Amino acid sequence: AQKVTQAQTEISVVEKEDVTLDCVYETRDTTYYLFWYKQPPSGELVFLIRRNSFDEQNEISGRYSWNFQKSTSSFNFTITASQVVDSAVYFCALSEANSNSGYALNFGKGTSLLVTP
Amino acid sequence: KAGVTQTPRYLIKTRGQQVTLSCSPISGHRSVSWYQQTPGQGLQFLFEYFSETQRNKGNFPGRFSGRQFSNSRSEMNVSTLELGDSALYLCASSLRASGNSGELFFGEGSRLTVL
Repeated sequence: AQKVTQAQTEISVVEKEDVTLDCVYETRDTTYYLFWYKQPPSGELVFLIRRNSFDEQNEISGRYSWNFQKSTSSFNFTITASQVVDSAVYFCALSEANSNSGYALNFGKGTSLLVTP
Repeated sequence: KAGVTQTPRYLIKTRGQQVTLSCSPISGHRSVSWYQQTPGQGLQFLFEYFSETQRNKGNFPGRFSGRQFSNSRSEMNVSTLELGDSALYLCASSLRASGNSGELFFGEGSRLTVL
């Protein structure tokens, strides 16, 4: 069963627009971690944020902000005033304490964001 | 400090051959994880090593194996290659074992093409 769903496969915006990337997760664990990673064309995954299941406080880092809502099992990511350099594939991931694979990351399928000038 | 280094970056093999991929973690990191990325299946966990011991394993056949050396460098091996093994193989290192679910630092990957 898909544990992390990123319903948006591709998003295209014009520079300076705000964009929100959706992430819905599924778990029975009470202790878990949520992540967002960015994958530029070079291939490596760049860590953006980690949230544990006990911390629902939203976070802002520059133009990036994250909205964690346990009631809807969502962990959405918003880029404010998007820039061309934000173009990449963004992955949401879930890490559970009680899975057969330990704390291995379960990734969503990713959302490809294209920001055009 | 230097990031995670994976070699080779690109390689082409034929069906039935075997391949070995190498990963050098960030200095001081003792945990190394491997992931397979394909267009169809996305990113899937292969295995994790910590202090030379395999801690976790994903749902992959026995043709996929790995090991970690005393200097934390890791290798993964795929034997009897199949066309479906064509993928980007990503290595990630972490300071602590995955149980602490810390930040994973990824390399740029090794892109394997099986013909």
